[in-house]
Amino acid sequence: GENVEQHPSTLSVQEGDSAVIKCTYSDSASNYFPWYKQELGKRPQLIIDIRSNVGEKKDQRIAVTLNKTAKHFSLHITETQPEDSAVYFCAARTGNQFYFGTGTSLTVIP
Amino acid sequence: NAGVTQTPKFRVLKTGQSMTLLCAQDMNHEYMYWYRQDPGMGLRLIHYSVGEGTTAKGEVPDGYNVSRLKKQNFLLGLESAAPSQTSVYFCASTRTGSYSTEAFFGQGTRLTVV
Repeated sequence: GENVEQHPSTLSVQEGDSAVIKCTYSDSASNYFPWYKQELGKRPQLIIDIRSNVGEKKDQRIAVTLNKTAKHFSLHITETQPEDSAVYFCAARTGNQFYFGTGTSLTVIP
Repeated sequence: NAGVTQTPKFRVLKTGQSMTLLCAQDMNHEYMYWYRQDPGMGLRLIHYSVGEGTTAKGEVPDGYNVSRLKKQNFLLGLESAAPSQTSVYFCASTRTGSYSTEAFFGQGTRLTVV
């Protein structure tokens, strides 16, 4: 089955700096790549997603890039704010299943 | 529109006891999933369903059973709970399509087996 690896596991940045989280996947049949944000004690919530026919997508301070050839995709957060502190999960969908990375705990230091 | 609702939110079980977690969605989604979340391991798929009356195994199905008797409900059962099943359980649902839309998650159930 699909294997999704996510790095780094923890990330600390100063407020206003950028944060980048990277994921790789193994199954070339994966065609949908969402990113979820999970605040402490809360449910994961979608923040941005990208489909396999698109190379980049941006939504205000958040962007995702996809390199199908290399099988990796990345989340970019610019101008980070304290409320961006959370755990972020990448995922890849193959067929009926979503495969998740192990998460990145992002801390934005005021 | 409540989205995805899980019952209960918290539960403590003794080893060997059984319980059922209920997931209900009101978005008419075909696909439903049960995940467990453990520290440092992300979300791992236990079982899933692609429609009423269907179920399939995920990555970590041992010790769990599921049923999807109604389209809106997906039940996760633990027949004989073990301490290794201490975890936070999340249900999710999504509609079908060749390109998927997002998975919507429930609020989670924190289960402790002592």
